[in-house]
Amino acid sequence: GQSLEQPSEVTAVEGAIVQINCTYQTSGFYGLSWYQQHDGGAPTFLSYNALDGLEETGRFSSFLSRSDSYGYLLLQELQMKDSASYFCAAARMDSSYKLIFGSGTRLLVRP
Amino acid sequence: GAVVSQHPSWVICKSGTSVKIECRSLDFQATTMFWYRQFPKQSLMLMATSNEGSKATYEQGVEKDKFLINHASLTLSTLTVTSAHPEDSSFYICSAPRASGSYNEQFFGPGTRLTVL
Repeated sequence: GQSLEQPSEVTAVEGAIVQINCTYQTSGFYGLSWYQQHDGGAPTFLSYNALDGLEETGRFSSFLSRSDSYGYLLLQELQMKDSASYFCAAARMDSSYKLIFGSGTRLLVRP
Repeated sequence: GAVVSQHPSWVICKSGTSVKIECRSLDFQATTMFWYRQFPKQSLMLMATSNEGSKATYEQGVEKDKFLINHASLTLSTLTVTSAHPEDSSFYICSAPRASGSYNEQFFGPGTRLTVL
């Protein structure tokens, strides 16, 4: 089967750093993407890791370890607007290319 | 950045009727689009891959005759929920890859909330 596990909820204070973990089990794995979704809104792309290591994009960084089937999203200098759901998504190929989404993590940023 | 639109944004219908949802890529062409379903506070579940000019590819457990997908042009894919029932009530979202070969980065539409009475 295929699955991506994330913590259901994370709470942090404004200005802090938070890490959202994702462990995956999937065949035909290409890489790991991260998406942000505010309530009632569309998911928006944050980052993608095809290779092991850290990718940095402004306040957001994402890490992948293929040998551990593990990745994380790191959010720095948290702002209130970062309160949202965050999804890891495995890019995989079987008969066609597709994204399989994780269970999602709701991040609540408090003052 | 690229924009994907969906229409309608919400729809309420009676049980037994059919509902069509449109997904358009506004400033780029998309030979492939994806349809997802999302229940409140849950993840996005991939329903099917829509391919321009050919049949859609459905995920296991998704009824092809229930959820009809048509990708008639490089900018438009439609999802028709046939003979809708209350259990079909959900948030339906489409997406399109940023570019051919760049499927890891998807642009998502704003979603359509379907309520079946």
